Amino acid sequence: GQQVMQIPQYQHVQEGEDFTTYCNSSTTLSNIQWYKQRPGGHPVFLIQLVKSGEVKKQKRLTFQFGEAKKNSSLHITATQTTDVGTYFCALNSGTYKYIFGTGTRLKVLA
Amino acid sequence: DAGVTQSPTHLIKTRGQHVTLRCSPISGHKSVSWYQQVLGQGPQFIFQYYEKEERGRGNFPDRFSARQFPNYSSELNVNALLLGDSALYLCASSSSGDSTDTQYFGPGTRLTVL
Repeated sequence: GQQVMQIPQYQHVQEGEDFTTYCNSSTTLSNIQWYKQRPGGHPVFLIQLVKSGEVKKQKRLTFQFGEAKKNSSLHITATQTTDVGTYFCALNSGTYKYIFGTGTRLKVLA
Repeated sequence: DAGVTQSPTHLIKTRGQHVTLRCSPISGHKSVSWYQQVLGQGPQFIFQYYEKEERGRGNFPDRFSARQFPNYSSELNVNALLLGDSALYLCASSSSGDSTDTQYFGPGTRLTVL
């Protein structure tokens, strides 16, 4: 079946440092979504990528979809304590089943 | 506008019991999906319902069932509870449930099975 690997599993950074998480699929994707889940909270939609090589920015967050549409990345520039949480990529397997990645837990040290 | 609501917030059950969890989607949304999130893991897809019909099902045993009502609210039922069913159960609503739809998650129901 379709697999979604997300790395790293954990990342501790000093406030102000950059952070990147990667999402890799075993199959070509039609689209990919990114979610953020704060500790004790629920996943919140961040963005969706659809086109090959697409790059989207949200303030300090940059999202990229690979040329082959098999991988994606989320990069945060100059992390802040408000960035703390777990970042998930999510994809649709094509039959109304949604697969979430294992997530990357980000901790920002002030 | 109200977001996705779920009830109850927390629930404690014992092995062998059954449980019913409830979800009300965002007004105007016709699709509801259910997820199980075990501590430290990503959400695992259980069901998707659209217009009262099951449209997708994850790899969960038949002890798990769900339904959607005419007002698009939904219930998730779990029978013969096991310790391993302890998790956060999340409901997500979307307009049509298509792959490009944004899913809006509710706060979840924390189920503890003793």
